[in-house]
Amino acid sequence: QSVLTQPPSASGTPGQRVTISCSGSNSNIGINTVNWYQHLPGTAPKLLIHSDNQRPSGVPDRFSSSKSGTSASLAISGLQSEDEADYYCATWDDNLSGPVFGGGTMLTVL
Amino acid sequence: QVQLQESGPGLLKPSETLSLTCTVSGGSMSSYYWNWIRQAPGKGLEWIAYIYYSGSTNYNPSLKSRVTISLDTSKNQISLKLKSVTAADTAVYYCASGDFWSGSGVHYYYMGVWGKGTTVSVSS
Repeated sequence: QSVLTQPPSASGTPGQRVTISCSGSNSNIGINTVNWYQHLPGTAPKLLIHSDNQRPSGVPDRFSSSKSGTSASLAISGLQSEDEADYYCATWDDNLSGPVFGGGTMLTVL
Repeated sequence: QVQLQESGPGLLKPSETLSLTCTVSGGSMSSYYWNWIRQAPGKGLEWIAYIYYSGSTNYNPSLKSRVTISLDTSKNQISLKLKSVTAADTAVYYCASGDFWSGSGVHYYYMGVWGKGTTVSVSS
């Protein structure tokens, strides 16, 4: 049971915009910044977004994120086949005094 | 760009102690928080522990009684020991570098660089 709640799956067609939600609480998302990771099985997870809305160098601006209250969401516009991967939200949890992850969302590009 | 490479035994028997090593190349270990994270089959990512380059540590409470994380800056390595393993510890284990700061009660913590992971299976 993950501290942060994500839908297990999402899908979209090439060119479409998809969003992935992440729900938490006042001890994590409600007060701390949110990060998003992209993970293709068998590879190293990749940091997509950090500090709520900052993209590391090299991450396309097709990826964006937002946060409101105790929820956050990742948006992918202009969906491409190479975006098919698992996506995880993460943040710091004040009760745990450590980082926590969502359960992950498997994105399928139809 | 920092690169991370995990290594471990691959296969363990129940009740044994798991020992993993993460080797850091291409950069300094200073100013980072060094993490271990795992992913059990069909499950999401689970943070295990981190160690700051100064030596201070933090553990996931669910694993704290069985885990020890350590740092060897002379070898550019981070180690993890997990005691009394069971089948539930079967997972891919990743190491990752972390950035952490806080201000006005807000914590910023993210893991910028990850290794490709090492698979650990626990079976009799």
